[in-house]
Amino acid sequence: GIQVEQSPPDLILQEGANSTLRCNFSDSVNNLQWFHQNPWGQLINLFYIPSGTKQNGRLSATTVATERYSLLYISSSQTTDSGVYFCAVLKSNFGNEKLTFGTGTRLTIIP
Amino acid sequence: NAGVTQTPKFQVLKTGQSMTLQCAQDMNHEYMSWYRQDPGMGLRLIHYSVGAGITDQGEVPNGYNVSRSTTEDFPLRLLSAAPSQTSVYFCASSPDVTDTQYFGPGTRLTVL
Repeated sequence: GIQVEQSPPDLILQEGANSTLRCNFSDSVNNLQWFHQNPWGQLINLFYIPSGTKQNGRLSATTVATERYSLLYISSSQTTDSGVYFCAVLKSNFGNEKLTFGTGTRLTIIP
Repeated sequence: NAGVTQTPKFQVLKTGQSMTLQCAQDMNHEYMSWYRQDPGMGLRLIHYSVGAGITDQGEVPNGYNVSRSTTEDFPLRLLSAAPSQTSVYFCASSPDVTDTQYFGPGTRLTVL
């Protein structure tokens, strides 16, 4: 099956810093999503981004499908950005509709 | 809208017991799925459904059963609980697998 690798596994930053999280995948995909899991365990969808660039406030994401990677940018980080960030990809085959998650990047923002 | 709801929030079982984790959504989504989350391993797909009456296996289906008799509900059954099934279980739904996934709050299960 498709492999999804995220880097770095852990990231500790001071409040106000910028960060870049990376997601590499081993095959062409139809769908890529970024999620944030907050310290209470809730999973929230951030971006649906199979290709191109999207921005939402201080967060933006870019997927370069031809080179099989996606980047999540967080600018002017705040303590509420802490948590684990996952990317998930879908390679859709007829009768095989499954999202595959990476192992995540744990981000800790220090006040 | 309540979104995706899961019950119970916490559960402790003894080895060999059976139980059902409930998942319901009120968004009329066709696609629903169950994941388990273990430390350092991300989320792994257990079973999924593309609509009422249709289910299929994910990456780690052994020891779990599902059914989808209605669009709204997608229960996950543990037939004979084992300590290896200690995990946090998440249910998700979306209009289609290619759409944004909406997750429930999770069920933390411990099997002794």
